[in-house]
Amino acid sequence: NAGVTQTPKFRILKIGQSMTLQCTQDMNHNYMYWYRQDPGMGLKLIYYSVGAGITDKGEVPNGYNVSRSTTEDFPLRLELAAPSQTSVYFCASSYSPRTGNGYTFGSGTRLTVV
Amino acid sequence: GQQVMQIPQYQHVQEGEDFTTYCNSSTTLSNIQWYKQRPGGHPVFLIQLVKSGEVKKQKRLTFQFGEAKKNSSLHITATQTTDVGTYFCAGLEQGGSQGNLIFGKGTKLSVKP
Repeated sequence: NAGVTQTPKFRILKIGQSMTLQCTQDMNHNYMYWYRQDPGMGLKLIYYSVGAGITDKGEVPNGYNVSRSTTEDFPLRLELAAPSQTSVYFCASSYSPRTGNGYTFGSGTRLTVV
Repeated sequence: GQQVMQIPQYQHVQEGEDFTTYCNSSTTLSNIQWYKQRPGGHPVFLIQLVKSGEVKKQKRLTFQFGEAKKNSSLHITATQTTDVGTYFCAGLEQGGSQGNLIFGKGTKLSVKP
């Protein structure tokens, strides 16, 4: 059981480049989330999805886009990368925020924009 | 909107000392969850509290949910170096339509051997 898999683990982008952070879960979770975590800081919600075909903005959506065409996959797209997007990105999934099993997080993607 | 405040931001303790982090919500919560993130790692789910006044224990960790369901605490007895990390609380607003938990900013615990 792989849980939540994120790729790549590390990436260096130049300013203005674009990339897609991949996230896949094999637990048949309806809910999926993207967070960013700046050094020494908490988690900021970028986008989330309550099921295939449904996405919603979180606290810091500007500069990002998402799609949810399947239950398993929730890719995060960065267009025109900026230094302010240097961060660690975590994908997470859950059956529901109300269940007792909590969120399962991926191991993260460490992104540097130079 | 709903806010979840967590204090302290940092805590440095000597190994063997106790540690407590507190979480306060601006609104009544349906549930509260606690997570631990080791340095360089990802958050890992520890526990969920649902009932008013609920207390749960996991070995040296004691979790409490306030009577008004607006605050919570995590207490670690006799800290060990393996307890090092950042502890996050995350709450779901009662009756809210949001599909996501609101995370506190976390308490970073360091333990001196």
